[in-house]
Amino acid sequence: AQKITQTQPGMFVQEKEAVTLDCTYDTSDPSYGLFWYKQPSSGEMIFLIYQGSYDQQNATEGRYSLNFQKARKSANLVISASQLGDSAMYFCAMREWASGNTPLVFGKGTRLSVIA
Amino acid sequence: GAVVSQHPSRVICKSGTSVKIECRSLDFQATTMFWYRQFPKKSLMLMATSNEGSKATYEQGVEKDKFLINHASLTLSTLTVTSAHPEDSSFYICSASVGTEAFFGQGTRLTVV
Repeated sequence: AQKITQTQPGMFVQEKEAVTLDCTYDTSDPSYGLFWYKQPSSGEMIFLIYQGSYDQQNATEGRYSLNFQKARKSANLVISASQLGDSAMYFCAMREWASGNTPLVFGKGTRLSVIA
Repeated sequence: GAVVSQHPSRVICKSGTSVKIECRSLDFQATTMFWYRQFPKKSLMLMATSNEGSKATYEQGVEKDKFLINHASLTLSTLTVTSAHPEDSSFYICSASVGTEAFFGQGTRLTVV
């Protein structure tokens, strides 16, 4: 069963506007972490933001915020004031903590294009 | 933050040869490292979990004899693509975790000709 679902293969946003990238997840583990990564064309994985399942508040990192709705199992990434340099692939990922040092499981990704 | 260094970043090899990719944790000890493969415009798929001092755990469908993983020290894991063929061409990337954070190497773009 797919654990991370990103339903938007591609998104366009006007420069300086905000954009929301969707992510839903599935787990029976009560303890887990949700991550967002940016991958430019160079291939490197750039960490953006993290949300723990027990965190009461939504995570924020600069222009990035995570809209965490636990009951709906969604962890959408909001990028405010989009910049041309934000154009890249964005991956949502999850780790389940019950089994110790587990790998990240990734969604299929969303390609974001910022238009001038 | 912690640094994971992966080398080489790009490699072109002839069909039938073997290629070794190194993944080093530069400023922390990693008892576990993860190897992923990424096809163009696709997501990262876990290939195997590399455990220091023991055999790697491979995901279903990944040939252990094709993709040899060695994790001989707490700071180095290697992935060797043996007898490479054009279908092995891909982007390979390693990862190690410290607490809740996951750190990635720069990735290796392998092209088999």
